[in-house]
Amino acid sequence: DAGVTQSPTHLIKTRGQQVTLRCSPKSGHDTVSWYQQALGQGPQFIFQYYEEEERQRGNFPDRFSGHQFPNYSSELNVNALLLGDSALYLCASSLGTSSYNEQFFGPGTRLTVL
Amino acid sequence: SQKIEQNSEALNIQEGKTATLTCNYTNYSPAYLQWYRQDPGRGPVFLLLIRENEKEKRKERLKVTFDTTLKQSLFHITASQPADSATYLCALERNGNNRLAFGKGNQVVVIP
Repeated sequence: DAGVTQSPTHLIKTRGQQVTLRCSPKSGHDTVSWYQQALGQGPQFIFQYYEEEERQRGNFPDRFSGHQFPNYSSELNVNALLLGDSALYLCASSLGTSSYNEQFFGPGTRLTVL
Repeated sequence: SQKIEQNSEALNIQEGKTATLTCNYTNYSPAYLQWYRQDPGRGPVFLLLIRENEKEKRKERLKVTFDTTLKQSLFHITASQPADSATYLCALERNGNNRLAFGKGNQVVVIP
């Protein structure tokens, strides 16, 4: 049973470019949350997708957008990249949006913006 | 403002001893609190969840306490081993719907 998978593992972009990160949830999970983790910091919640809709959003600008597909996989898109967007981007999946459902994290995508 | 505070200094501990980490929070009323382990360059791995009406939770060599009056959780690793060396993150449920707010994490180094 595969856990949460993310691609790519690493990515290097330049300022102003756009990037798309991908996430496949753990088998049987239908909810995907995205987090940004800067070096030395804890993960920061970006948004959560359930039933192909954005259900919650953290304090991130509109440059950050996402999508969830019918197979529950998800994409995170970031436009007009800034140097400060350099971080580890984590995807977490769970079954439903209940507060007590354990979230399983993927290995992350390391994004470097030059 | 809302804060989740974990000790920024790494905890160096001798193998076999008990490591104790603290998570303090302000301006939150979490229904539960979670602890995660994170190794360098990897995603967090869930360890334990403790609900607001639970005082203590155990899992193998791990023990978590939750004091909603003090707004504090303690995380203990008993009989620590070098393989326990990692960063440990505390996370609070925020506004329901499984939205987590994380602390910065506390690094533990177990010395053989």
